[in-house]
Amino acid sequence: EPEVTQTPSHQVTQMGQEVILRCVPISNHLYFYWYRQILGQKVEFLVSFYNNEISEKSEIFDDQFSVERPDGSNFTLKIRSTKLEDSAMYFCASSTGNSNQPQHFGDGTRLSIL
Amino acid sequence: DQQVKQNSPSLSVQEGRISILNCDYTNSMFDYFLWYKKYPAEGPTFLISISSIKDKNEDGRFTVFLNKSAKHLSLHIVPSQPGDSAVYFCAALTSYAGGTSYGKLTFGQGTILTVHP
Repeated sequence: EPEVTQTPSHQVTQMGQEVILRCVPISNHLYFYWYRQILGQKVEFLVSFYNNEISEKSEIFDDQFSVERPDGSNFTLKIRSTKLEDSAMYFCASSTGNSNQPQHFGDGTRLSIL
Repeated sequence: DQQVKQNSPSLSVQEGRISILNCDYTNSMFDYFLWYKKYPAEGPTFLISISSIKDKNEDGRFTVFLNKSAKHLSLHIVPSQPGDSAVYFCAALTSYAGGTSYGKLTFGQGTILTVHP
C-alpha cells in the first residue's frame, strides 16, 4: 500500500538554526498538510497546501515557517530560525481531495531543538 | 482549543470483549469525523470515518456511532484483540464544497487502549 514518507526520522538542531523537514506524499494525492504534536499535547494542524499554494494555515504557522513543493514528489517544511518551543513531532499528510477519502500520515520527524 | 475532546486518557479491556472509545465536540460546523490509531514511533493510521448525515458506520470489527444532538461520537471495537492496543485519536473537520479530505483536521487528545490477553 502506498505510504507517506518523511525524512529524517529525527533531527537535532541548535536554536536559531534553519531546519528543513522533508516529505514524499502518496503519488496521486493532490492535497498536502503539516501537523505537529508537542510532547504530551494534541496533534495540531499547521498548514494545508494545494495547487502550489497554501490553502489554509493556523496561528502557529507564522513567518518563521514556510512550505514548498520543489518538484513533483517532495513537500518540505522549513523553519527559518528555530526556537526551543519548536521541539515536537512533525507529521506530513496527504489526501486525494475526493469525497470520503481520509488524510494519510507519515511516521513523523522528531525535531529536537537544543 | 477544546473543540474535540476525548475525556478518557486510557482504557483497559480484556481480549474478546468490546472496547468503547468516546469523543465529544463543540463546533457545530464539523460535518465529518474520523478515528485514527497510532502506534509508538509511527504516524496516525486511518481507521474509520462518518459523515454528519449518518449516525452509524461499520467496517469489520469497528463501528462508529454519531449522536449529533449530543455532539458525541464513539468507536466500538468488537471483539477487541491485543493488536488493537494503541492510542486512538478522534478527529473532525469541516468540509468545503462537498469535499471531505482537504479541510484541516482538529484532533482530540487521544485515548490509550490496552487490550489484555
